[in-house]
Formats: sequence, structure tokens, C-alpha cells
Amino acid sequence: GIQVEQSPPDLILQEGANSTLRCNFSDSVNNLQWFHQNPWGQLINLFYIPSGTKQNGRLSATTVATERYSLLYISSSQTTDSGVYFCAGLNKAAGNKLTFGGGTRVLVKP
Amino acid sequence: GAGVSQSPSNKVTEKGKDVELRCDPISGHTALYWYRQSLGQGLEFLIYFQGNSAPDKSGLPSDRFSAERTGGSVSTLTIQRTQQEDSAVYLCASSRQSSGTSGANVLTFGAGSRLTVL
Repeated sequence: GIQVEQSPPDLILQEGANSTLRCNFSDSVNNLQWFHQNPWGQLINLFYIPSGTKQNGRLSATTVATERYSLLYISSSQTTDSGVYFCAGLNKAAGNKLTFGGGTRVLVKP
Repeated sequence: GAGVSQSPSNKVTEKGKDVELRCDPISGHTALYWYRQSLGQGLEFLIYFQGNSAPDKSGLPSDRFSAERTGGSVSTLTIQRTQQEDSAVYLCASSRQSSGTSGANVLTFGAGSRLTVL
């Protein structure tokens, strides 16, 4: 299967700051998703983005499929953005399991 | 149902006992995944079901782990002779389909079942 690497592993932000999280894949992906895991452990899908750019409020994501990476942008961060951000990818030729990266742990301080 | 439902939410068991964890996916979702998350770690793939196809069991860590999905809906993950290293949160997720080419593959996760093996 594919390998997924996320950076940075940890991020501390002051409320209002912007940040960029990165996800690299070892192979091309047909399916790429970003998730947020809140401090209570619930995983919420943020984006389905195998290519291109999407925006949802203060969050946006860009995937450059040919370069095998994806970026998640958080603008004007708020304390509620704290948690762990995971990206996950699937290469259909390698099987249909969605493989997760190790996550980026984000703490937004007031 | 409206979301993915998992039970029990918490399970404490003694080493050597068998446990069953249940997942009720969103109605109409044909794809179902089980993942395991140890404390402070990422998600480890365990098993994947898609419709009537043979499941992808490549992530099951040992033969003590098994899972089934009855009638293409509810799934049960069984761990036999539990060990302390099995302690983790077991997460279930479902999606409408898994063609790998459309937004229908967006995963919806349940709240998880926290397993503690003493």
C-alpha cells in the first residue's frame, strides 16, 4: 500500500494566526481526504480532495496530484481548531483501503 | 441511521477474555472500515468490507482478530484471548461506495469503542 507522511507533527498557534499543514504520498492517489479529530476523539471529514482546491470557511485545501502532496490551510485560527488533523489516501491499484498519515497535532492558544 | 453507531463505547476486560465490538453503519453505505487507534497515535487499518465482495483483511494484526458483516449492514469485530497490547480505540467508518473516484467515498466515522485490557 501507499505511505502517507504528514508535517509538522506538532503545531502551536496563537489565536488568529494562519498555518499550513502538509501531506505527502508515496504513490498517486485516487482518493484523498482530510479529517479533524477533536479533543474528544471524534473524527470529522473536512475535505474530499483528490485534486484541485476547495474552501470551506476558514479552511481550504489544495492537492497537487502530479507532485503527490496535499496542503491544508487554516486561516485566522480559533481555539476550536485545536485537535489532530489527519490526511488519508487511497490508490485503487494497491487496494481499496484508505491509509492514514500520522497526523498533525494543533494547539491554538487564546 | 443518521450516523455511524458503535457499541460499546467503553469496554474493560481481563486479559484472555474475548470481546465483540459492534458497528452499525449509515443506511445505504456499502463500504465499511475498521481502524484501530492507540493512545496518541494515528489510525491503523484493520479490515475493509465492500458490498458482497470478499473483505480486505490485510490489516488484521493476528489470527485472534476477526470481523464479519451480516447482510451488508452491521459489522462485528471480535478479538479472542485479548492481550494488553490490544488496548486502543477501535473506530468504524462507512461510505456510500468505494470506487475511488468520487466524493461518495467520503468516510463518516463512528465515535469509537475504547477497549482496555487489564
